[in-house]
This record gives sequence, structure tokens and C-alpha cells, in this order.
Amino acid sequence: DVVMTQSPLSLPVTLGQPASISCRSSQSLVHSDGYTYLNWFQQRPGQSPRRLIYKVSNRDSGVPDRFSGSGSGTDFTLKISRVEAEDVGVYYCMQSIYWPYTFGQGTKLEIK
Amino acid sequence: EVQLVESGGGLVQPGGSLRLSCAVSGFTFSTYWMNWVRQAPGKGLELVASIKQDGSAKIYVDSVKGRFTISRDNAKNSLYLQLNNLRAEDTAVYYCARGHLSDWGQGSLVTVSS
Repeated sequence: DVVMTQSPLSLPVTLGQPASISCRSSQSLVHSDGYTYLNWFQQRPGQSPRRLIYKVSNRDSGVPDRFSGSGSGTDFTLKISRVEAEDVGVYYCMQSIYWPYTFGQGTKLEIK
Repeated sequence: EVQLVESGGGLVQPGGSLRLSCAVSGFTFSTYWMNWVRQAPGKGLELVASIKQDGSAKIYVDSVKGRFTISRDNAKNSLYLQLNNLRAEDTAVYYCARGHLSDWGQGSLVTVSS
């Protein structure tokens, strides 16, 4: 299985400040169709996960533009330009090119 | 509006069985791969089973092979997961999710304990 490694696992951030989460895969996530199948999910406390980003950098409908994704091959980053209180939760990266799709361990974002 | 609603969870003894259901609406169910993802208490996410649009292909993570069965009824817009020979380590919230996990249900808690 493809191993997804996130860092940091804990991320205290001051309101209004930027935040960044790294995700590394054990294999390239570039498909033969040219797309790279790396996704980011947010799970707020007590809620179901919600997909934020697909194919590295595409925001899902309703996702604020303060969230952005970047990267290529095996190294990816989720950035929040200015953290708001509603961003508290756990963030997961996930690859969806090889079955079983696999997730990173999760990064817990909290307000400092 | 896309909606996925799981049901069927509960408390079951080790070795027991349970059937989870997921009723969907708001999209053309028969055109999507569907998935079951679980989350043990306080832990991360694990995709356990996926099924092709017409049910002709089913894939399972190794830890549930031979014990869990995924199925679907496109006429009823419903996804199912039959859980047999349950173990304590199967205790988790089970979510159904569409396609590349673009949409999720609210989850159904399965607790395996004597």
C-alpha cells in the first residue's frame, strides 16, 4: 500500500496567521492520464470528514479561497493563508490513484 | 443536494454480524464508485471497501477480506456493508462516501464488545 506521511502532526496557530501542512507519498501519485490524485480533507470536531482539495490544487465547492494546495510527484502542501476559528480540526491528505486509497496520519490544527 | 445517510450500526458481540446501509440522494447513484471508510475511536481514516458502478467489481482492504461484503442496489439508491465475524478492532464509525470521497455521510457507529 502507498504510505502517506504528514507533518507536523500537531499545529498550533494564532488566529489570522498562515498555516502549512506537508504530505509525502511513498510512490508518485501521477496517473497515466496526466492528473495527480492527491486530496485534502478537513474533519472538524464531532463531524464527518469533508473534502477540501482534489487533484492537488482544485478546491471543492464552498471551500474558502484561503485554502490552497500545491505540490507534485510525491510532495504536497496544504496552506491556509489566514487561520480562522472554524478551521480547527484534523486535516488528512489522501491518495486516490492506487487502491486501497490511503490517508496520512492526520494533522491536528488548534488555535494558540 | 447530495445526501448520504448511514444506518444499521450498534453494539454487537465478538463473532457477531451487522448490516450497514447507506441511502443516497441528490446524484445519479448508478454512475459512481462507492466506498465504506471507517474511523476507530480517536484514530485516523481507513478505506475498507469499494464497489464499482454496476457491482461487478468489489475491493477490500486485507483486514476485512472474507469477513465483510460490500453490495449495492442501484434501483433503491442504496449501498450496503455486511459485517461478519466481527472483532473488537472493527469498532469504529463507518462512513459511506461517493467516488473519490467527494461526499460523506454522517457515519454509523459499530461497537464490538462482550
